[in-house]
Parts: sequence; structure tokens; C-alpha cells
Amino acid sequence: GAGVSQSPSNKVTEKGKDVELRCDPISGHTALYWYRQSLGQGLEFLIYFQGNSAPDKSGLPSDRFSAERTGGSVSTLTIQRTQQEDSAVYLCASSFHPGGELFFGEGSRLTVL
Amino acid sequence: AQSVSQHNHHVILSEAASLELGCNYSYGGTVNLFWYVQYPGQHLQLLLKYFSGDPLVKGITGFEAEFIKSKFSFNLRKPSVQWSDTAEYFCAVNARLSNTGKLIFGQGTTLQVKP
Repeated sequence: GAGVSQSPSNKVTEKGKDVELRCDPISGHTALYWYRQSLGQGLEFLIYFQGNSAPDKSGLPSDRFSAERTGGSVSTLTIQRTQQEDSAVYLCASSFHPGGELFFGEGSRLTVL
Repeated sequence: AQSVSQHNHHVILSEAASLELGCNYSYGGTVNLFWYVQYPGQHLQLLLKYFSGDPLVKGITGFEAEFIKSKFSFNLRKPSVQWSDTAEYFCAVNARLSNTGKLIFGQGTTLQVKP
């Protein structure tokens, strides 16, 4: 498709389990972002990939969170040993160049029981 | 570290009322500024952006935003809101000289327009 695609759209998991969230950015977009959206918390920056440069991981809340981007395209956000406070909507966005307009996906809603 | 502050968390207006949503950022250098909007059930989308030039930027939907460098502000305005403007609005900033595209968002303002 023409937009940013995220999967799964909904994920319910048990505390302590690992989850993987996938993002397929718009073709040709060099920058890819992950954000977390919680009620009343706005959009919390997690990680930013730009081309072949080292990612900006400054927003990852703990070492249970990691992300990779393979081949400069698809990205996977992994949360290990999930906790209830990880429940949120995880948004992926891409842009054609750094600092430009972001195009967002629909998000992956994660619920940790 | 950069931060973005949106002072109004929840605004309720009647149709035809005027709107101003505040946005302040903390970064002393050159910035790119954005307003994004999330309509109910939809994904986030760009509303307005400022990179350089005229500090008053206008959108096609009647929204405008003014960059005031001395106040580190980028407030969003609309002279007459409509019920369809009900949405969540996010201000965002990119520190241009940081050589990164990292975009920091504010906490968002929920706008509810009563018909």
C-alpha cells in the first residue's frame, strides 16, 4: 500500500511475555520513527532510524525495549518480559528526509494483562 | 534536552467560537515546527508546518499558526471552529541543527466542539 503499515493492529499478551511489533514504512522514506501513545501522556519518542546511521535510541524506556530496521525498510520493535505499564498504542512513522513531514501508521495497540 | 509544552489539555468550545491552542518549546537553536491532528478513529496527520520564512503559516482548513521566536511559541489558531474540528492536536518540534530528524511531541490537546 501507499501508507505506513503496522502489524498487529491489536495485541493482548500476558505479563512477562515477549512481543514483536512490525512497521513497514512508505517506500523511499529514509527516516523511521517509533512512538508510544498512552492516555494523557501524548506521544513519547522511542527510537529513530535514519538511513544507515546508528539509530537514536534515546527514548527507549528500558533495556527490555529494542528495535531494528532491516535493509533500510521494515522495522521491528521488540518488548521483552512485558509489564502492565507497557500497555499503550505503539505508533510508527516514516519521512522522506530528516526533519520533514511524518506519515503515521494506524498503530499497534498493546494490552498487557 | 528538547521539550514541548502544550498548556491546554482539554478544550471545549461551541461551534463558531474562536480557538487558540498554546505550544511552547525549549530549544535555543533553529527549529522546524509542526502541528499534527488526530481525528477520532483516524491516524495522526500533518496539519501545519513551519520551516522558515513567513512566521504565520496557514492551512487549507482555516487553521493558522504563528511562530514567535522570542517566545519560543508556535500557537495554533482558528477564527471559527466547526464540529468536525473535534480531534486531538499535537505540537511537535525538530531541532534542525542537531543533525537528526528526531521529532519531539507535546502532550496533546483534546478539542471538543459542541454543535
